Amino acid sequence: QLQLHESGPGLVKPSETLSLTCLVSGGSISNTIYYWAWLRQPPGKGLEWLGHIYFGGRTFYNSALKSRLTISVDTSKNQFSLNLNSVTAADTAMYFCARHKSLARENWFDPWGQGAQVTVSS
Amino acid sequence: SSKLTQDPAVSVALGQTVRITCQGDSLRNYYVSWYQQKPGQAPVLVIYGKNNRPPGIPDRFSGSSSGNTASLTISGAQAEDEGDYYCYSRDSSGDHPFGGGTKLTVL
Repeated sequence: QLQLHESGPGLVKPSETLSLTCLVSGGSISNTIYYWAWLRQPPGKGLEWLGHIYFGGRTFYNSALKSRLTISVDTSKNQFSLNLNSVTAADTAMYFCARHKSLARENWFDPWGQGAQVTVSS
Repeated sequence: SSKLTQDPAVSVALGQTVRITCQGDSLRNYYVSWYQQKPGQAPVLVIYGKNNRPPGIPDRFSGSSSGNTASLTISGAQAEDEGDYYCYSRDSSGDHPFGGGTKLTVL
């Protein structure tokens, strides 16, 4: 059964870079039919797609975050990562990674990791 | 503001049927997927594509779509169905918005 697990610092200072890694187990990140996504949820608010990556490295980013966001993949470690620079308090959120299927009219995220809480504060 | 619009809250009596809706122009071209989220937990996919349920999702969950509106129907709602429900659909601009979420209360 495919599982995803986020890891990284829970506290980041304003203006610094938020870095998270998602380890994929129970399946290969090099599966040709899936992408690998990052999403987040600020406290008490809804879900926001940040971006996703194909195992070959092609990336897709939320236009509102594109200038600050980098998603990368390491197939040798079966993991992918997120870097968000110049963070502010508005980036405080639960960050999730998920497998993403994008096929013609069908698009979905499944499964999701359990989430990693990141707080931006000095 | 979200490109997908959901009612903020819906309630249903135990055992009755409830419909949660999602509106957006992208739904004319792309199927919506639906996610259930309980407090302190990650979202779980409950419906995707035309009307598909992942393994383990009860058959009381179903999906439908007409024009710019998609619906998630729970037939015979159970107490464990309480939670937040989010719709999601990509759009032709390359964006991947979620709806604002609907809080379902089972009375």
